[in-house]
Amino acid sequence: AQTVTQSQPEMSVQEAETVTLSCTYDTSESDYYLFWYKQPPSRQMILVIRQEAYKQQNATENRFSVNFQKAAKSFSLKISDSQLGDAAMYFCAYRTRDDKIIFGKGTRLHILP
Amino acid sequence: GAVVSQHPSWVICKSGTSVKIECRSLDFQATTMFWYRQFPKQSLMLMATSNEGSKATYEQGVEKDKFLINHASLTLSTLTVTSAHPEDSSFYICSARDPGIRETQYFGPGTRLLVL
Repeated sequence: AQTVTQSQPEMSVQEAETVTLSCTYDTSESDYYLFWYKQPPSRQMILVIRQEAYKQQNATENRFSVNFQKAAKSFSLKISDSQLGDAAMYFCAYRTRDDKIIFGKGTRLHILP
Repeated sequence: GAVVSQHPSWVICKSGTSVKIECRSLDFQATTMFWYRQFPKQSLMLMATSNEGSKATYEQGVEKDKFLINHASLTLSTLTVTSAHPEDSSFYICSARDPGIRETQYFGPGTRLLVL
C-alpha cells in the first residue's frame, strides 16, 4: 500500500524568506501523481502544485516549486518570498492508480512578520 | 479551476438523527466523487468513492450502513450519516474528479457536523 510521510508537524519562516517542506512516499507503482495541497483556516483545500512522476522536470508555480527525487521517493515543496497569506496547513498527497488520494499528516506553516 | 460546492456548510443535530450532506460539481460532470473525513488537527481520511449510477466503494473500517452514499446524477453525490452519535462529529469534505483533467480532484469547502 502507498504511504505518504511528512516528518515536520510545524515550521516557521520569516516573511520574505524561503522555506522547504519535506515529504517522502512509498509506492510500487511506476507512474503516479504527487500533489501539495494548502488548507488555510477556512479549511478549503487548495491545490498548490502537482508533479507527474514520469516527468523529470520539477514542477513550478510562481513562488512554489518542488524538488522531486523519484529514486529517493522524495517530494519537497519550496516556498520562496514567503508571504503572510502562505500561513496554512500543507498536505503532501499521492494519487493512486484508481484515483484515490492519500494524504500525509500535514505540516503547519507559520509566517513570522 | 472547477468548482465543487457542499451543503450545508455546518450542521448541529441531536444524537440519533440522520444528517444528509450534498456535494455538487457546478461546472463539470463528475462520474466519480470522493468523501473524506477530517478530525481536528489531523489529515484527511478517505471514507468512500462515489460512482455515478453504481454503488459506492467504502474504505476499510468505514461502516457502509452508517454512512450512506448516493450518486444519483453526474453533478450530485450525497452522504447521509445515519443515527448520528457524538463520535460522528467531524469535518466532512468531498472532492470530484473532472474527467477532462483526470489527475486533478477539486475539493468542496467542507461540512462541519456537530452531534450533541
